Amino acid sequence: KAGVTQTPRYLIKTRGQQVTLSCSPISGHRSVSWYQQTPGQGLQFLFEYFSETQRNKGNFPGRFSGRQFSNSRSEMNVSTLELGDSALYLCASSTGDTDTQYFGPGTRLTVL
Amino acid sequence: AQSVSQHNHHVILSEAASLELGCNYSYGGTVNLFWYVQYPGQHLQLLLKYFSGDPLVKGIKGFEAEFIKSKFSFNLRKPSVQWSDTAEYFCAVRGGYQKVTFGTGTKLQVIP
Repeated sequence: KAGVTQTPRYLIKTRGQQVTLSCSPISGHRSVSWYQQTPGQGLQFLFEYFSETQRNKGNFPGRFSGRQFSNSRSEMNVSTLELGDSALYLCASSTGDTDTQYFGPGTRLTVL
Repeated sequence: AQSVSQHNHHVILSEAASLELGCNYSYGGTVNLFWYVQYPGQHLQLLLKYFSGDPLVKGIKGFEAEFIKSKFSFNLRKPSVQWSDTAEYFCAVRGGYQKVTFGTGTKLQVIP
């Protein structure tokens, strides 16, 4: 099976812009979660989608949003980018039960 | 709310030394527990997990972890580390269908 794929792998944006990141889960997986990884902060949970519905949400401002499509692919959007949004954004998929998450390589976002 | 605490942020060991990384969690109910590893330049991947049953679980590459319910702990162990174990290790907990909460990670450096 192909693993979790994330596009793009690298992004450079300037403050105030918006960005959309994409995640394709492992075939058959219905749950997709997004995390922000920064040095010293570890992985901060953004949100989880299951069958197109947001199942869990982290403590991030409303500038961070996401959605999941009927084919389980997911996108996350960050509007009005700030310097502090520079991070590695990770996507993880699972079957949807409380089981193992499989991570993608991440999208490295740099905000200048 | 659930939380995870990893006590060691940075550990340096010589090859063949024994390893124990601490992980404590807080959650009032049944939990699923995980250890993930991130080798330099690679994806996060699962080392081992505990859902139920034998509290001593074995994972890949000779790692094991023991779930001690009374101490809310899930410490990771390896009897003899190798240089190739140099990586960052994350403990994670999931209570029910809540989000997965990760610890801040422990960077392990193994010196040949």
